[in-house]
Amino acid sequence: GQNIDQPTEMTATEGAIVQINCTYQTSGFNGLFWYQQHAGEAPTFLSYNVLDGLEEKGRFSSFLSRSKGYSYLLLKELQMKDSASYLCAVRDRGGSYIPTFGRGTSLIVHP
Amino acid sequence: NAGVTQTPKFRVLKTGQSMTLLCAQDMNHEYMYWYRQDPGMGLRLIHYSVGEGTTAKGEVPDGYNVSRLKKQNFLLGLESAAPSQTSVYFCASTIRGGASYEQFFGPGTRLTVL
Repeated sequence: GQNIDQPTEMTATEGAIVQINCTYQTSGFNGLFWYQQHAGEAPTFLSYNVLDGLEEKGRFSSFLSRSKGYSYLLLKELQMKDSASYLCAVRDRGGSYIPTFGRGTSLIVHP
Repeated sequence: NAGVTQTPKFRVLKTGQSMTLLCAQDMNHEYMYWYRQDPGMGLRLIHYSVGEGTTAKGEVPDGYNVSRLKKQNFLLGLESAAPSQTSVYFCASTIRGGASYEQFFGPGTRLTVL
């Protein structure tokens, strides 16, 4: 089975930096996703990490440590439009196209 | 390209009624999925399909059936709706062999069962 844990809610100030953590316990590991979901909308893909380290995409970065079962999503220069839920999901087996999702972190950005 | 589309967008059912949710994708993806999303529960997989003519159960399959007669379509059926099936339903698709295994989601169907 899989256990994916992330904070339920976080708040931050416009222009600041926020880090959203995700820890996982799985029988195997073959990749970790981050998705963004605005209220009332569908999730959209942000990042996919397979190897350890940091991957940067503009204001968003995603980090993975496979030995610690840990990932984080880093959002810089926060904007009001970044208010959304952020979903962490894990593929546990090679060849599996079935990720398991965590419950999501609701991020509220205030002025 | 329209990507992933879902029909209908909203629906209200009475307990015991049946309905079918339609998902269509125009990206020639092999894999398709049906999820439900409830407050505080994240996305939970109902059923999925790895190709035309094949389906498999996910985490919460009870009360649902699916069919994939054509590669581009994935149907989710509720034979006898129950209030516990009130939820937002998302369809998604993925290409086989893609570099990122990214899932593309439809806009969702908001279902209320009274």
